[in-house]
Amino acid sequence: KQEVTQIPAALSVPEGENLVLNCSFTDSAIYNLQWFRQDPGKGLTSLLLIQSSQREQTSGRLNASLDKSSGRSTLYIAASQPGDSATYLCAVNSGYSTLTFGKGTMLLVSP
Amino acid sequence: KAGVTQTPRYLIKTRGQQVTLSCSPISGHRSVSWYQQTPGQGLQFLFEYFSETQRNKGNFPGRFSGRQFSNSRSEMNVSTLELGDSALYLCASSLERGIEYGYTFGSGTRLTVV
Repeated sequence: KQEVTQIPAALSVPEGENLVLNCSFTDSAIYNLQWFRQDPGKGLTSLLLIQSSQREQTSGRLNASLDKSSGRSTLYIAASQPGDSATYLCAVNSGYSTLTFGKGTMLLVSP
Repeated sequence: KAGVTQTPRYLIKTRGQQVTLSCSPISGHRSVSWYQQTPGQGLQFLFEYFSETQRNKGNFPGRFSGRQFSNSRSEMNVSTLELGDSALYLCASSLERGIEYGYTFGSGTRLTVV
C-alpha cells in the first residue's frame, strides 16, 4: 500500500526566502507525482505534474524534482511571497484511478 | 475552458438525513473521482467513475455511494448522516486515470452535519 509523507508539517519563513518542501513515498512504481496548493477552505490547485520518466518540472518560481528510485520529491519555492502562504500537498499516482496524498505542509510567509 | 464545478458549495444537514453532492467535470473528461478531506485524516479516496462505471472504491461504508451520468456529471450520496461525515468533499476529473495530464479538482462542497 502506497504511503506518502510530507516534511515539515508546518513552515514559517520571512518574505524573500527560498524554501524546500519534501515529499516521500514508499512504492516507487508510480506513473506521476502532482503538487497541489490549497488555500483555507478551498479546493486544490495543481502546481506541477512530474511524470515518472522526468527528473524535474518548473513553473515560474516553482521547481519540483523527482527521484523515483529513492521515493522522494521536493518542491522548491524561490523568493517566497506572502501570497505563497497556503498548504502544499503532494500526491502520487500509482495508476489505480486514485491519488495517494500526503498530509501537507502548511506554509506561512510573513511580510 | 471551464473547470470542475461542484454544487452546492456549502451544506448543513442533521444527523440521520441524506445528502447528494454534484460534480461536473471538465468538458471531455470521462473520469470523475471523489475525495473526503478532514483535519484528522487528510484526503481520502472515496470512489472513481469512468464512462458511468465505478472503477475503484475506497474504504468507506456503504452509506457512501455515487453514480455517473452519460454526460460524465457525477453525484455522490451519503445516507444516514453521522457527525463524523462533516468534511470537505472534493471532486476531481481527468482524461484517463490522470496518467498523462494529472487531475483537476473542483472547489469542493463543505458539508456540516449537526
